[in-house]
Amino acid sequence: EAGVVQSPRYKIIEKKQPVAFWCNPISGHNTLYWYRQNLGQGPELLIRYENEEAVDDSQLPKDRFSAERLKGVDSTLKIQPAELGDSAVYLCASSSGLAEGNEQFFGPGTRLTVL
Amino acid sequence: AQSVTQLGSHVSVSEGALVLLRCNYSSSVPPYLFWYVQYPNQGLQLLLKYTTGATLVKGINGFEAEFKKSETSFHLTKPSAHMSDAAEYFCAVSAYSSASKIIFGSGTRLSIRP
Repeated sequence: EAGVVQSPRYKIIEKKQPVAFWCNPISGHNTLYWYRQNLGQGPELLIRYENEEAVDDSQLPKDRFSAERLKGVDSTLKIQPAELGDSAVYLCASSSGLAEGNEQFFGPGTRLTVL
Repeated sequence: AQSVTQLGSHVSVSEGALVLLRCNYSSSVPPYLFWYVQYPNQGLQLLLKYTTGATLVKGINGFEAEFKKSETSFHLTKPSAHMSDAAEYFCAVSAYSSASKIIFGSGTRLSIRP
């Protein structure tokens, strides 16, 4: 079974440019998460989807960040325009909601560098 | 609300020595507790989790953790460190009432000395 797939793995852009990250969750997982992980810190939740509905986006900076999960499968996270402080690893995770404790499965992440 | 504190951002042990990574949590409701490991340039992988039942939880790669409610702790241990254990380790907590939201600690980097 394939794991969570993310692309690109690395992205370098100049500030004020737009950038987008793509995530394909594990087949059958209804819940999808986007996290941001700053250097030397743990992941912080940006947004959580249940199928195609964003059920928790309280930590998403909505002035520049947007996300979508059309058809409840793949998801895209966008930043426009990017700022220097957005440099981080963006992790996507998915879960089925069936396992006790709701184990989340993580993708390898996209490392964003904003110059 | 939940929170996690990992004591020590960096721990170094000799190969074959005991590994102890400390984690304390705060939760107003019964918690689910997790330990994840992250190898360089990879995503997080679940080591073990506590939900209910037995307080001593065994995970992959010889790791285990014990849930101590009275101490609000969930420390991770391994009797004998291996070079391949070098990685970043994250403790995390979620509340039973909202099991989908997980709060991560800031991580502990484990180094293994030959």
